Amino acid sequence: DADVTQTPRNRITKTGKRIMLECSQTKGHDRMYWYRQDPGLGLRLIYYSFDVKDINKGEISDGYSVSRQAQAKFSLSLESAIPNQTALYFCATSDPAGVPYNEQFFGPGTRLTVL
Amino acid sequence: SQQGEEDPQALSIQEGENATMNCSYKTSINNLQWYRQNSGRGLVHLILIRSNEREKHSGRLRVTLDTSKKSSSLLITASRAADTASYFCATDASGTASKLTFGTGTRLQVTL
Repeated sequence: DADVTQTPRNRITKTGKRIMLECSQTKGHDRMYWYRQDPGLGLRLIYYSFDVKDINKGEISDGYSVSRQAQAKFSLSLESAIPNQTALYFCATSDPAGVPYNEQFFGPGTRLTVL
Repeated sequence: SQQGEEDPQALSIQEGENATMNCSYKTSINNLQWYRQNSGRGLVHLILIRSNEREKHSGRLRVTLDTSKKSSSLLITASRAADTASYFCATDASGTASKLTFGTGTRLQVTL
């Protein structure tokens, strides 16, 4: 979905490095989410934010942090990357007052490899 | 932990055949949604069924929901090669997609 963009699209890094993944959206949605996808495990929620001042941990937040810089921007950081954080990372948005109000819209994903 | 478990994990059919995939979940829901993911790309919403609905149709898609069994199925009729993708169910307890819980997905391969 071109309305939700993620940068970078691919990243290779080394163990111990700090990495930031960025998400921007032009949909005007207040709610934003970060997921990781591993083969055979579906998507698991890392962090979510319902507005600029609201940050919540998801199912697997250990080793990650987030920053909601503006309504349109939600960044995910790996403070000290480790190999088992190698995964596909997705950002998503939703709008409970919008049309539609009950689905999420996903970015194209960032493929992260930690060596 | 995953809310939804899907089966089969992988499904290979020929073009023109129907594809059925199933999802089971554990807790009460407001609605259940199905998403499609083309290889390595973002998920796209396909269809939503509310907890008080038993069946819903959208084009070649048919979704059923059995809340007593905590299960749902997605049927794609007259499949096409372009239907090749992974399909995920997602449960929504809130009704506003504020916190979806995704299943493990079914990989569908449609061959010519």
